[in-house]
Amino acid sequence: GIQVEQSPPDLILQEGANSTLRCNFSDSVNNLQWFHQNPWGQLINLFYIPSGTKQNGRLSATTVATERYSLLYISSSQTTDSGVYFCAVVTSYDKVIFGPGTSLSVIP
Amino acid sequence: DADVTQTPRNRITKTGKRIMLECSQTKGHDRMYWYRQDPGLGLRLIYYSFDVKDINKGEISDGYSVSRQAQAKFSLSLESAIPNQTALYFCATSDFDWRISSETQYFGPGTRLLVL
Repeated sequence: GIQVEQSPPDLILQEGANSTLRCNFSDSVNNLQWFHQNPWGQLINLFYIPSGTKQNGRLSATTVATERYSLLYISSSQTTDSGVYFCAVVTSYDKVIFGPGTSLSVIP
Repeated sequence: DADVTQTPRNRITKTGKRIMLECSQTKGHDRMYWYRQDPGLGLRLIYYSFDVKDINKGEISDGYSVSRQAQAKFSLSLESAIPNQTALYFCATSDFDWRISSETQYFGPGTRLLVL
């Protein structure tokens, strides 16, 4: 089956810094989504991005489907950005496969 | 998000017991999902449903069953619970917007299940 990898596994940032999170996948997918799980466990969908680039405030994401990766950019990080960021792909058989996540800690 | 509710929020049960986790949504979405999350890991899909008459197995369906009683309700059952089913369970809904080719999943608050 499809393998989904995320890097880095852990990241510590000073408030105000920028970061890039990466998601690699091993086969073609129908779509890709980015999620944020806050320290209280709540999951929020950030982007639906099977290809191209999208932006939402300080966050943006780019997926290059032909090269099987996606990037999530966080600019001017804030403490509320802390948590775990997951990418998830949907295969041609409608299977949803999550990556292991990147744990982000933003310190003041 | 109060639009997707899960009951119970926490549950402790014993090995061999039958247990049902319930999910309700007021978003009017056709698509509903059940995931489990183990400590330090991402979510794994258990079952999903694209409408009331459509039920599909996910990545880890063994030991689980589901029921889509209505568009708004999707229940997950563990017929005979075992300790390695101890996990955090999430329900989610989504609707695909064909106009902009986009889908957003909305998650419930999760149910923490401990099987002794």
